This record gives sequence, structure tokens and C-alpha cells, in this order.
Amino acid sequence: GEDVEQSLFLSVREGDSSVINCTYTDSSSTYLYWYKQEPGAGLQLLTYIFSNMDMKQDQRLTVLLNKKDKHLSLRIADTQTGDSAIYFCAERVGNTDKLIFGTGTRLQVFP
Amino acid sequence: DSGVTQTPKHLITATGQRVTLRCSPRSGDLSVYWYQQSLDQGLQFLIQYYNGEERAKGNILERFSAQQFPDLHSELNLSSLELGDSALYFCASSVAMADAAFFGQGTRLTVV
Repeated sequence: GEDVEQSLFLSVREGDSSVINCTYTDSSSTYLYWYKQEPGAGLQLLTYIFSNMDMKQDQRLTVLLNKKDKHLSLRIADTQTGDSAIYFCAERVGNTDKLIFGTGTRLQVFP
Repeated sequence: DSGVTQTPKHLITATGQRVTLRCSPRSGDLSVYWYQQSLDQGLQFLIQYYNGEERAKGNILERFSAQQFPDLHSELNLSSLELGDSALYFCASSVAMADAAFFGQGTRLTVV
């Protein structure tokens, strides 16, 4: 089946690390993505990982993939107030091109 | 700026009406996707076109239709509009079918 779940809310102090988690159910997922949506804006592609990788690092962002548990996480180091937004994980399923999105996690960064 | 352009940004219309949303993909992108974002349903895939042909269909109502033109821009047509169609409609594009998709800013549709 196609189902992607995320916790709805995360609050962190500025300068701390944020970890946003995501679980998916389809084992045929090929790529997994993280998108950021700021208020009133579109979806910004942050990073993505191929399903045969365990980890990908891109500046302050680290993506970890546990394929056995179907668990994906996004770690943001040194979180800033500008990181406050909704973060969506998404999976590309099998040979299809459509993305299945999670419910989104609202990250709030306080000083 | 993702390079994907959607017009209009906002649209307010009455129930029963018909509207057309327009999307210009990034230069060189052949694949166009349409998504609907609403509070109760989240982000839902509607339909995908690749180089002018329909490639995949998701939770798209029969009242909705889309097409991709030879210049690769796409239009999403919504007819017999209902209050529940009020949502943010996103277009995304990618170079090829398996590449990462870049999203436009969306069209906010309000049906009154």
C-alpha cells in the first residue's frame, strides 16, 4: 500500500539540531524526497536519496534511510529561525512517477 | 525560484463555474505533474503528462481534466466547481520521468 506518515509538529531551540522523521509502507520505493513549504509558498525540494543509499549529507542537512524499517529522517544541524516551515517527505513508488507525500511536519524554531 | 511558473496565483469563483489553471515547466523539462493540497486531504497527486502524453493518473475527479501542449506548458481544467474544490493546486516539472520534481508556487482556488 501507499502510505507515508510523519509527526505533525516539532519545536526546537535556535542552534539545536532538528530531526524530522517519516515512515513509509511501500517497499518498492525508488527515491525518497524532502520538501520544505514556507507559509504561502510552494514546495521547495531540499534533498533526496536513492533507495540503495543509507545516508546523504548536504551542508546542514543529513538524510538517513533505514530501508528495513522503512524509516526516513531529515536532520537539520544548527537550526535557524529561517528553517521554520512545514517539511514533507515523499516517496516515488516503483516504476510510477507520482510522489506520495506525507502529512507534513511543522517545524517551529524559537530563540 | 524553482523555474516553474503557475498562473493565476489566486482565483475566486462561484460554485458550478469552470476555471483553467496554467503551468509553464522549467526550461527543458518534459514531465509535468499536478497536485492538489487541501487541509483535509493533504497533498494529492492528480495527473502527470510526459512530452504531451498522459503518463499517470491519481485521485483526479472526472470533472477535472488536463493537457500538455506541444510547447510543453500544461493546463488543468476544473469544471462544475464545488465548495470542496477549494485548495492550493500545484504544478511540478522534471526533466525526465524519474527525476526530482520542482514545484511552482501554486494557484490558490477559492470556490464560493
